Formats: sequence, C-alpha cells, structure tokens
Amino acid sequence: KNQVEQSPQSLIILEGKNCTLQCNYTVSPFSNLRWYKQDTGRGPVSLTIMTFSENTKSNGRYTATLDADTKQSSLHITASQLSDSASYICVVSAGGGADGLTFGKGTHLIIQP
Amino acid sequence: EAQVTQNPRYLITVTGKKLTVTCSQNMNHEYMSWYRQDPGLGLRQIYYSMNVEVTDKGDVPEGYKVSRKEKRNFPLILESPSPNQTSLYFCASSLGPWAGGIQYFGAGTRLSVL
Repeated sequence: KNQVEQSPQSLIILEGKNCTLQCNYTVSPFSNLRWYKQDTGRGPVSLTIMTFSENTKSNGRYTATLDADTKQSSLHITASQLSDSASYICVVSAGGGADGLTFGKGTHLIIQP
Repeated sequence: EAQVTQNPRYLITVTGKKLTVTCSQNMNHEYMSWYRQDPGLGLRQIYYSMNVEVTDKGDVPEGYKVSRKEKRNFPLILESPSPNQTSLYFCASSLGPWAGGIQYFGAGTRLSVL
C-alpha cells in the first residue's frame, strides 16, 4: 500500500531559526513529489514539485530535496518568519492512468517570536 | 487569476437534509477532486474526476456523490448527511496528478451536520 510518512508531527521554533521537515514515502511507481503549505482553515498552496530527476528545488526561503533512491524528501525553511506558521504537507504522485496521489498527514509548524 | 471557487464557505445543516457544495475552476483543468480534512487524519480523497462524465471513488466515498457535466464544475452532493460527515472540505483542480502540474485548492467549506 502506498504511504507517505512525515516527521515530526509538530515543531516549534523561534523566529529567524532554520528548520527541516522530513517526508518518507513508499509509493510506486513514482511520478513526482510535492510540498504544500496550508494555513489554518485555508486550502493548501503548492510550494514545490519535483520529478524523479530533480534533487533540489527552491522557492524563496523554502528548499526541497529529493532522494529517489532512499525515497526520502525534506523541506528546509531558512530564516523562519511568523508567517511560516502553518501545516506542511508532502504529497507523492504515483503516475499512471489512474489517480495516484498519496498525502502525508502533515507537519504542524509554529514559529514563536 | 487562477481560481477554484467553493460555495458555501460555511454550512450548518441537520441530519438527512440533502445538500450540495459547488466547486468551479477557471483554468480549463481536466482533473478535479474532492477531499475532506479531519484533525489527525490529514486530507483524504472522496472522489475525483479525470474529465467530463468521468468520475471515480477516492479513499472515503461513502455517503457522497459527485457529477461532472461540465469541465469547470464539480459539485459534491450529500444525499442524506450524517454527523460523521462534519468536516472541512476542499475541492482541487490540476492538469493531472501525473502531469506534474500545480494542484490548486479552493478555500474550503466547513460543514457541520447536527
């Protein structure tokens, strides 16, 4: 069964600090991996999408990495801001002809002043 | 502006009273889907649609219906809502999950079934 596991479940850091969120997956075949940011009570917003051949992708202070061999991805946030407080969701697409999106449960990140 | 529009944003209803949550997208996307989000469970897919008149069940379809008569619209229908369908619902659209296209989500519909 395809699965996406995220860690930690929740994280509290001080404003200005860096942090890294983890995503491990067992999805096959692999098409792409996405990271979303979801503010409380709002719809998720796409941060990055990476295909098999991409190791790193950045979006401002967000940098996602992908190791397709170990089936791991990380999302690194640099110089955190209060507005980074949100849930971060890892989603893996299995590709193929049918719907193949597997969602992680998310990491809840709180940035404290 | 690329948009997925859901209505209503908030809804309180009673058990058994049929309701419809509308979803519309302006990006000419073929792929649309509905999710529910509950604390500790994350986003779970209810139904998805690859194109007009093509729909299929997701992970938690029981108690829900959908239709895709037009490309832009994908309504979610609860024929006889029950309290366990109290949840936060999201509609989303994209070129397709395999295409690497960005998935756009609506703002959400918070449903309470009493």
